[in-house]
Amino acid sequence: EIVMTQSPATLSVSPGERATLSCRASQSVSSNLAWYQQKPGQAPRLLIYGASTRATGIPARFSGSGSGTEFTLTISSLQSEDFAVYYCQQYNNWRRTFGQGTKVEIK
Amino acid sequence: EVQLVESGGGLVQPGGSLRLSCAASGFTVSSNYMSWVRQAPGKGLEWVSVIYSGGSTYYADSVKGRFTISRDNSKNTLYLQMNSLRAEDTAVYYCARDGAIVATTTGGTPGPSFYWGQGTLVTVSS
Repeated sequence: EIVMTQSPATLSVSPGERATLSCRASQSVSSNLAWYQQKPGQAPRLLIYGASTRATGIPARFSGSGSGTEFTLTISSLQSEDFAVYYCQQYNNWRRTFGQGTKVEIK
Repeated sequence: EVQLVESGGGLVQPGGSLRLSCAASGFTVSSNYMSWVRQAPGKGLEWVSVIYSGGSTYYADSVKGRFTISRDNSKNTLYLQMNSLRAEDTAVYYCARDGAIVATTTGGTPGPSFYWGQGTLVTVSS
């Protein structure tokens, strides 16, 4: 099983600032990496797939990068609606796995 | 418009069974890759199972041999039959429509989950 490790567990950021979230895979997943956003009481929402492609309707302030084992999600200027938990997921094989999540909270 | 609506959750005793349903609209379940993902209270996301458009099924080790994913093409509905339930199966269960096959070093695998239902809560407790 591929283990996904996200850091930090919690990120405190002020509105308008940049947020950088990291995700590391225990073995290469190529670019088969997705990022999801989840708000309390809601289902996850796909933000990024293929490591760097924004899903439909996702604002340009969200960007993804990386390949192999190291990945980054950047939110260029945090808006109030961006405070949430973010998960990375590898889908390089059928036994897909999620990271444990990074909570982005208001500083 | 793609919609996924889960149902069937509830309170069940340890060792009991439950069947979850996921009614789909706006697309054909049998032509797509469909997954179940769960989230224990206050915890992260855990992939549970996937069914390929061709009918192949795969399971997380934590549920293999106890859970069965299936679909009813006439009802355009995805199911998750859960047997021998344990306290650690307590979670919100989401169904999701996955993306088309992507290339991997071992062949191909469905893409990420583009569409999600709202989830249904399963509580396993005596």
